[in-house]
Formats: sequence, C-alpha cells, structure tokens
Amino acid sequence: NAGVTQTPKFQVLKTGQSMTLQCAQDMNHEYMSWYRQDPGMGLRLIHYSVGAGITDQGEVPNGYNVSRSTTEDFPLRLLSAAPSQTSVYFCASSLDRLNTEAFFGQGTRLTVV
Amino acid sequence: RKEVEQDPGPFNVPEGATVAFNCTYSNSASQSFFWYRQDCRKEPKLLMSVYSSGNEDGRFTAQLNRASQYISLLIRDSKLSDSATYLCVVSGGYNKLIFGAGTRLAVHP
Repeated sequence: NAGVTQTPKFQVLKTGQSMTLQCAQDMNHEYMSWYRQDPGMGLRLIHYSVGAGITDQGEVPNGYNVSRSTTEDFPLRLLSAAPSQTSVYFCASSLDRLNTEAFFGQGTRLTVV
Repeated sequence: RKEVEQDPGPFNVPEGATVAFNCTYSNSASQSFFWYRQDCRKEPKLLMSVYSSGNEDGRFTAQLNRASQYISLLIRDSKLSDSATYLCVVSGGYNKLIFGAGTRLAVHP
C-alpha cells in the first residue's frame, strides 16, 4: 500500500552543495514527474519521464538533473544548491501522461542557506 | 498572465454553507481538467475529474465551460473536514499538467 515514496522529508543544504531527492513508486506507472511548489505559484513541473530510459524537461529544469533507470525509481539531483531552490518538492506518478489520476509523494521540504 | 488562474481566497464559510470556486485557463487546446485537494503541508490528492457534461460526486459538483475556458467546483453542505486548498489543474502542452495556485477554504463551526 506504499504508492509513491519520497525521501528525505526535510533537508537543509548549504549553497553549493549537491544532493539527490529519492522517489519510488510501486504501482508500475510509466509516467513520473517532479514538481516544486512555492507560495502563490502552484506546482511547477521540473522534469518528467514517460518510461525507463526516457526523460524530458518541464517548465523549470535549470539546476536539476534526473534519470530513470527503472520503472520504479525517479531520483532528482540538485547539482549545486542555490537559495532560489528552497521549496517543497513533490514526486508524482500516473498510469498515463494526462488523463488519469496523478499520485503524489508526501513531499520534501528543502531549505538552502 | 498565468495559464491557470484561481481566486486565492481564503473563503471562510460556516458549516452547512454552499461554496463555489472558479478557475480560468488560457490554453484553448487543453483536453483534461481536474480538481485536486491539498491539506496543509500535505501532498495534493485528486478530488475529481471535470467533464464537459458536468459531473457530481456526493456533495461536490464540477462544471466545465470550454467556450469561456472556465471551470467551477461547487461544494454543498460544507463540513469542517472540507477545509483545505483546492487546486484547479489543466492539461497543457509537452505532456504536462498545469496547476493553479489554489483556493483556500476554511469551514468554521
């Protein structure tokens, strides 16, 4: 009954540090995506993947990398953290790209100081 | 102009009230429409999809007006447990969902 699991739940980074946010789903969904949520702006798409080995950029990809080596996992890497990347990050998965329910992980609250 | 616009609220209503949220979207080619609910500091969860013919799920009714590019959500007989932020979501280009910033609802006794 896990659904989408994100780790860590909270993280504080210093400017310039790198880290990886983990995301795993056990629903055999092909479509996975990463969003960031900032006050007053709604969720914005960072990167997405339509299947293992296939990724593409979303609306705000700069400063982030992704890879999809398996159907289950879709990690998000921050290359060199900046204060502007302070946000809440959500991973989501769905059966297809647009027309079915997106299931979200519990989120990672990231602060860059 | 934002691609999906919502009144941020908050809407403060008493239990039992009927409340309506509106949402407008800018891309006339959008094909899929949803309302998601997000509780404070939690992840969004699907409340309901929105169809052109309108659809109802218990106390919740969603309507879509493609000509006006307008989506609505009506909540009847509000409960304390309905307090949350309601996100209007529309499909966009390049395989993405576009989220509105959300409308906050607070139901009080």
